[in-house]
Amino acid sequence: DTAVSQTPKYLVTQMGNDKSIKCEQNLGHDTMYWYKQDSKKFLKIMFSYNNKELIINETVPNRFSPKSPDKAHLNLHINSLELGDSAVYFCASSPGLEETQYFGPGTRLLVL
Amino acid sequence: AQSVTQLDSHVSVSEGTPVLLRCNYSSSYSPSLFWYVQHPNKGLQLLLKYTSAATLVKGINGFEAEFKKSETSFHLTKPSAHMSDAAEYFCVVRGFEGAQKLVFGQGTRLTINP
Repeated sequence: DTAVSQTPKYLVTQMGNDKSIKCEQNLGHDTMYWYKQDSKKFLKIMFSYNNKELIINETVPNRFSPKSPDKAHLNLHINSLELGDSAVYFCASSPGLEETQYFGPGTRLLVL
Repeated sequence: AQSVTQLDSHVSVSEGTPVLLRCNYSSSYSPSLFWYVQHPNKGLQLLLKYTSAATLVKGINGFEAEFKKSETSFHLTKPSAHMSDAAEYFCVVRGFEGAQKLVFGQGTRLTINP
């Protein structure tokens, strides 16, 4: 049983399009995160939600909008996609704010 | 602010020989430290974590790491490498400031030679 799942696994799209990536966790965790991994494998946090409330927003362009309909889901919507958005996006969750984070398998986004 | 430096971008060892992946951290507070592993085209898996209990931490797959405050290091070791250990390894710090925020090192790619 997958603990943190993401869909889609791969996403290839054109510049200017709008796309969404979905994340779901079945661990009963309160906190969820989005990370971006660039072409050099560097990982950086983008957003964090705790009990559906935004608590971290790391200077990400406002073309990126996270949405948490409930504690088990944190989706990432990206408007007007740019070439530089090509990356692997990881979702993660943790029981609470200061606890160990568990990662999903990643979504590989390629913007052409 | 916290930061993490992984001293080697690439480490190559022969199967059956010891593995050492080096990590130094900087933190104004007593940090929590983690090692995560990423196999090719896979997600991140937690190997082990240090959260101010025992300084020698044992993880999965025979890996362990030792927290050395005097050296600000948290090196990852394994006595005998296996082919399945080939992957990217990330040292990660979480400090008191923004305690839910993880700061990742640059990663070390481990190659295992037959």
